[in-house]
Amino acid sequence: NAGVMQNPRHLVRRRGQEARLRCSPMKGHSHVYWYRQLPEEGLKFMVYLQKENIIDESGMPKERFSAEFPKEGPSILRIQQVVRGDSAAYFCASSPRGLSYNEQFFGPGTRLTVL
Amino acid sequence: SQQGEEDPQALSIQEGENATMNCSYKTSINNLQWYRQNSGRGLVHLILIRSNEREKHSGRLRVTLDTSKKSSSLLITASRAADTASYFCATDAGRGSTLGRLYFGRGTQLTVWP
Repeated sequence: NAGVMQNPRHLVRRRGQEARLRCSPMKGHSHVYWYRQLPEEGLKFMVYLQKENIIDESGMPKERFSAEFPKEGPSILRIQQVVRGDSAAYFCASSPRGLSYNEQFFGPGTRLTVL
Repeated sequence: SQQGEEDPQALSIQEGENATMNCSYKTSINNLQWYRQNSGRGLVHLILIRSNEREKHSGRLRVTLDTSKKSSSLLITASRAADTASYFCATDAGRGSTLGRLYFGRGTQLTVWP
């Protein structure tokens, strides 16, 4: 039973380019969460999605960031026109239900470096 | 903000000693979770304790929760070098809040020397 998969593990982009981060949840999980971690910091919530629905995007920057979780395929976090401040580790987590008493299973993360 | 705060920020001990990390939070919760993160890796779930529980054990881990003080502690007994990692507490935001999202603190960096 594979865990949460994220790819790529490392992504380097130049300022102004687009970054696409992918997340495949654990089998049977239909709830996906994205978090961002800056160096020496804890994880900060970005967005919570179910299949084809954004449930809570209150942690997402209003511009340049978007997320989707289509009926088929992985969840995608998209960052347009990246800036240096977007450099961080982006983690995806999944759970079988979107309830707070369910543990969230985390992927290995994608480390984005913006040059 | 509900964000938890771990204390201490860093802890350095010898193998065999016990390590205690604390977490404080601001508002009511449904549960509190502890995670471990090895350097450059993802988070591994350690233990979840519900708001109506006071203590929970899992192997060498012991977690306590005091909702009146809005605090939790994680005790690792008989530590090993392999326990070296960052430890984070994560809370939800309690009743009436958006379900699912977790609030993390900055973590405690534990170093266990052989």
